[in-house]
Amino acid sequence: DIVMTQSPLSLPVTPGEPASISCRSSQSLLHSNGYTYLDWYLQKPGQSPQLLIYWGFNRASGVPDRFSGSGSGTDFTLKISRVEADDVGVYYCMQARQTPFTFGPGTKVDF
Amino acid sequence: QVQLQQWGAGLLRPSETLSLTCEVYSGSFSGYYWSWIRQPPGKGPEWIGEISHSGSANYNPSVDSRVAISIDTSNNLFFLSLSSVTAADSAVYFCARGKFNMRHAFDIWGQGTLVTVSS
Repeated sequence: DIVMTQSPLSLPVTPGEPASISCRSSQSLLHSNGYTYLDWYLQKPGQSPQLLIYWGFNRASGVPDRFSGSGSGTDFTLKISRVEADDVGVYYCMQARQTPFTFGPGTKVDF
Repeated sequence: QVQLQQWGAGLLRPSETLSLTCEVYSGSFSGYYWSWIRQPPGKGPEWIGEISHSGSANYNPSVDSRVAISIDTSNNLFFLSLSSVTAADSAVYFCARGKFNMRHAFDIWGQGTLVTVSS
């Protein structure tokens, strides 16, 4: 299985300030078709996860443009340009390069 | 707007079979992959498996010998069955839909079902 790691595991943030989360995979997530199979999800307290980013950088429908995904191969980053109160929760990266799809341990973002 | 509504037994005894159903409201099965994902209390999610609109399924080897995912396209339903459960199977179980023609990028999720395995 591809192992996903994230850092930090806990991220205290300040409203209006930027934030960044790192995700690393044990194998490259780049497919021969040119796509990178990396998603980002946010799970707000008491809710189901919600899709933020897919293909490593594509924002899902309705996701504010303050969220951005970058990276390639095995190293990826989720950035929030200006944190808002609604952004608290646990952020997970997930690889879909091969089954079983695997998630990172999560990064808890809180004020 | 597409919604997933899931249901099933929330309390099981060891060795019983977990059975969950997910209904797709206001959406089509065709062109999508449908997954089940679980999340033990306080832990990250674990992908259990998926089924395509045509009925082709893939499973996580961690549960492969005990799991079955099936679909009923006539009634917009898909199902999870997990046999011989133990306490390690206690988790919140989610159904989810991948974006169109994609096996991942789960853009629609069910509300989650808490399953507890206890004697």
